[in-house]
Amino acid sequence: DTGVSQDPRHKITKRGQNVTFRCDPISEHNRLYWYRQTLGQGPEFLTYFQNEAQLEKSRLLSDRFSAERPKGSFSTLEIQRTEQGDSAMYLCASSLGASIADTQYFGPGTRLTVL
Amino acid sequence: GDSVTQMEGPVTLSEEAFLTINCTYTATGYPSLFWYVQYPGEGLQLLLKATKADDKGSNKGFEATYRKETTSFHLEKGSVQVSDSAVYFCALSDLQGAQKLVFGQGTRLTINP
Repeated sequence: DTGVSQDPRHKITKRGQNVTFRCDPISEHNRLYWYRQTLGQGPEFLTYFQNEAQLEKSRLLSDRFSAERPKGSFSTLEIQRTEQGDSAMYLCASSLGASIADTQYFGPGTRLTVL
Repeated sequence: GDSVTQMEGPVTLSEEAFLTINCTYTATGYPSLFWYVQYPGEGLQLLLKATKADDKGSNKGFEATYRKETTSFHLEKGSVQVSDSAVYFCALSDLQGAQKLVFGQGTRLTINP
């Protein structure tokens, strides 16, 4: 078990560009979460997948954000027309989904800087 | 909505000191409670959790007890080590739906030798 992996680890882009991040959860984990963390704050929930179905989205997830999890395996988070306010650490987590209060295992995150 | 409030940091202690990091929460219903830790250069890791009132979670010498009457989940350790230096996050998870985590703002802990 290699844990949750995320790619890239760092991304620097110019305002207005599109970016896409990838998350590979722990194999056989049914649940996948995206969170965003800004400096000095705790992570904030963005969206959640149960297998391939996106079941909940936060109000933080504007129309410029889209997430997918084809075939219930890896997930991608795309941000279109990036803004400086999008600069943050984007975290992915997965859990087995077998019981209440399953542990969520976090990846190392993708740090996005929008210039 | 649900929220978590943590003791503001940073916290600086000497090795072998007693540690308390306060955490209180606001939630409808009875959430599960967690402490996550982020060591320098690493991702978030679960430290301990408790799923119902009066449960005590423990790991690596750290403990926290789920107190429904005071809506608290304070983190304690009797004797801290330099290797405990990290950022600590208190979080709750609703038992319904996504069971997403709601985090506090984090407390940075530095232990000096």
